[in-house]
Amino acid sequence: DQQVKQNSPSLSVQEGRISILNCDYTNSMFDYFLWYKKYPAEGPTFLISISSIKDKNEDGRFTVFLNKSAKHLSLHIVPSQPGDSAVYFCAASEDKLIFGTGTRLQVFP
Amino acid sequence: DTGVSQNPRHKITKRGQNVTFRCDPISEHNRLYWYRQTLGQGPEFLTYFQNEAQLEKSRLLSDRFSAERPKGSFSTLEIQRTEQGDSAMYLCASSLSVGLAHIQYFGAGTRLSVL
Repeated sequence: DQQVKQNSPSLSVQEGRISILNCDYTNSMFDYFLWYKKYPAEGPTFLISISSIKDKNEDGRFTVFLNKSAKHLSLHIVPSQPGDSAVYFCAASEDKLIFGTGTRLQVFP
Repeated sequence: DTGVSQNPRHKITKRGQNVTFRCDPISEHNRLYWYRQTLGQGPEFLTYFQNEAQLEKSRLLSDRFSAERPKGSFSTLEIQRTEQGDSAMYLCASSLSVGLAHIQYFGAGTRLSVL
């Protein structure tokens, strides 16, 4: 039973446009949600998080939106850059992290 | 470099051998986590420590796996009698236990190949 789901395995976006990555969860008791970025042969790198009591958190080009009624969160990257090309993982926190399966983002010129 | 450090980066072993991995967390972090990641999947929780106390182990964790954090600093993860299904990336992460405790910082991982 997968508690955190990323239903899009891949996404391709043109440089300068918006990238939107989506994530769904099933457990309403999660207290934080996080996004990590992963390059090949490296560990996940923390990007941004959001508390379950918030609906939006912004950090530079990255914004995370949380819709608790829909049990859905999304990561917006604006503007997208080629260096953003990586695998993005959504995670939910209950002390340990529960990860989705990731979305591979490719930003092309 | 004051990030999370994992050694070795790569380990190739024969089925049935024992292997041990080491993780050095960020120095002021008292929580330390182990995860395993296989191809096409997200990291999967194995176990975690607060200081030297092991607070949780995944029910999926075979009894061939054992982890220690004897002095509340570095940690080791041992796999006994390795099997081909143990081949994966083993990731270590650390965090604070208060404040921004939900943010875990990961090392580069140890890639295990069991032949």
